[in-house]
Amino acid sequence: GENVEQHPSTLSVQEGDSAVIKCTYSDSASNYFPWYKQELGKRPQLIIDIRSNVGEKKDQRIAVTLNKTAKHFSLHITETQPEDSAVYFCAAISGGSYIPTFGRGTSLIVHP
Amino acid sequence: NAGVTQTPKFQVLKTGQSMTLQCAQDMNHNSMYWYRQDPGMGLRLIYYSASEGTTDKGEVPNGYNVSRLNKREFSLRLESAAPSQTSVYFCASTKGPYNEQFFGPGTRLTVL
Repeated sequence: GENVEQHPSTLSVQEGDSAVIKCTYSDSASNYFPWYKQELGKRPQLIIDIRSNVGEKKDQRIAVTLNKTAKHFSLHITETQPEDSAVYFCAAISGGSYIPTFGRGTSLIVHP
Repeated sequence: NAGVTQTPKFQVLKTGQSMTLQCAQDMNHNSMYWYRQDPGMGLRLIYYSASEGTTDKGEVPNGYNVSRLNKREFSLRLESAAPSQTSVYFCASTKGPYNEQFFGPGTRLTVL
């Protein structure tokens, strides 16, 4: 089955800095890669996703890049703000499968 | 439009007791999922239902059963609770496997 590894497990930055979270996956048939943000005590919510036919996608301060050859994808947050502090999860879904495999999460802390 | 709802929000059980977690969605989604979330372990899939009338095991199904009662409702049953089942449980639904998953607010379960 699919295996998703996510790094780092904790990331501490100063407000205004950029943050990068990386994920690798094992199944070359995976073709959908969402990112979820979970604030403390809340439910996970989708912030951005990318499909295998696209190399990069941006939405204001967040962007996701995908390298299918290397089987890795990354979340980039620019101009971080304290409200970006949360746990971020990457996931991969293989073609024909209904099962998303999640990374273990990255706790992002943005210091004012 | 309530999205995905779960009951109860909190529950404390004694070892060996049984209970059912309820989940409902009003978005006319085809697929529904049950996850457990433990510190440092991310979201692990317990069971899922790709469409009404079907259910399948996920990564950690032991000790659980599910029922897809109709298109809206997907319940998770613990027949004989164990301390290892202490966790936060999330229900989620999606239109299809390559679409955003919408999560419920979660159920915090403690088994003593």
